[in-house]
Amino acid sequence: EVQLLESGGGLLQPGGSLRLSCVGSGFTFSSYALSWVRQAPGKGLEWVSGFSAADGNIYYGGSVKGRVTISRDNSKNTLYLQLSGLRAEDTAVYYCAKEPITPGRGFDFWGQGTLVTVSS
Amino acid sequence: DIQLTQSPSSLSASVGDRVTITCRASQSIATYLTWYQHKPGKAPKLLIYAASSLQSGVPSRFSGSGSGTDFTLTISNLQPEDFATYYCQQTSDVPLTFGLGTRVEI
Repeated sequence: EVQLLESGGGLLQPGGSLRLSCVGSGFTFSSYALSWVRQAPGKGLEWVSGFSAADGNIYYGGSVKGRVTISRDNSKNTLYLQLSGLRAEDTAVYYCAKEPITPGRGFDFWGQGTLVTVSS
Repeated sequence: DIQLTQSPSSLSASVGDRVTITCRASQSIATYLTWYQHKPGKAPKLLIYAASSLQSGVPSRFSGSGSGTDFTLTISNLQPEDFATYYCQQTSDVPLTFGLGTRVEI
């Protein structure tokens, strides 16, 4: 069974930084593209960053570009997200999501999410 | 960035109804369009990929159509468990983008 488990959320100070982790199991972690998607309270889904299934490159969403780093450690089956210069508008549930082996078919599995609250 | 406009933003329906949600892209995305169902406190669930292909395990009352810039998600014979928010997503180009969602409520 495919599982994605996020961790690292919590209450953080404005201007601070976060590091989220997502551990995958039930699939060959290194073979799949993965992304981070967030949902702010009362808002829709927003793609933050991800590894492309098509070309293996890393891409970032506009609202976090310059403040975010995505990385993965395939030996630990873990995806990471680092976000600096935290703002109130970064408050959201952060999900990691897996793409199927064929690019361009969305995200077929998601974690349950980890809540990040940015507040003083 | 490719913008996705979903309509309506919300709708009221009854069990057994047929519901149609539309998603319009700001430029052609061929059939790189995915639909998700999202319930509060749960992970989003992939329903339809490549505009019209039903994800494994998803009931056949869900269907998708369209290509280019105009897409629809149809739920026939609405069931109690279908009350949720539905999002479209384009996977044609980065940044990947989502529509703002359509809340389906009683």
